[in-house]
Amino acid sequence: EIVLTQSPTTITASPGGKVTITCRASSSVSYMYWYQQKPGASPKPWIYDTSKLASGVPSRFSGSGSGASYSLTINTMETVDAATYFCQQWSSTPPTFGSGTKLEIK
Amino acid sequence: QVQLKESGPGLVQPSQTLSLTCTVSGFSLTTNSVHWVRQPPGEGLEWVGTIWSGGNTDYNSVLTSRLTISRDTSKSQVFLEMSSLQTEDTAIYFCTRSFRNWFAYWGQGTLVTVSS
Repeated sequence: EIVLTQSPTTITASPGGKVTITCRASSSVSYMYWYQQKPGASPKPWIYDTSKLASGVPSRFSGSGSGASYSLTINTMETVDAATYFCQQWSSTPPTFGSGTKLEIK
Repeated sequence: QVQLKESGPGLVQPSQTLSLTCTVSGFSLTTNSVHWVRQPPGEGLEWVGTIWSGGNTDYNSVLTSRLTISRDTSKSQVFLEMSSLQTEDTAIYFCTRSFRNWFAYWGQGTLVTVSS
């Protein structure tokens, strides 16, 4: 199975700052998907097909990457962005998730 | 609109069988696939299994010997049965609907605690 490694595990950022979360796959994948999860809630679909924002996701978010290396970037971070972000692939079965990156506000 | 809602016992004793139901609305099970994903408290997400629109199933290889996913299309329900439960199976169990290769819609999840 394809293992997804996210880094960092935790990141603390200030409002207005820029944040980048990385997801590296153990084999090349076609697309990467991202979810945002806040405590006590279900994961929310956030970015699909590597770089497309799900409905309602603010434009300060972006996704990029190819092959085995992908990233999620937040420009001009806001306090509401504090959450855990997971990457996911399904280029091969089983679908797998990264272990998550917890984004905290400074 | 698309909705999924999980229901189940909450507490299951070790070695017993877990039965969960996912009731969906806003879409048909005969044209959409439904998946189970679980999340141990404070941990990451793990795909459990899938029932495809045609009725075929795929299971996580580490669970396949204990797992059965089925459905009742007339009731818009998907079922998960997992036998021989252990404490490591304690998790929030989500049912989700995919769109292409991602989990585009999620239920609220149901917490299953395995404990005597």
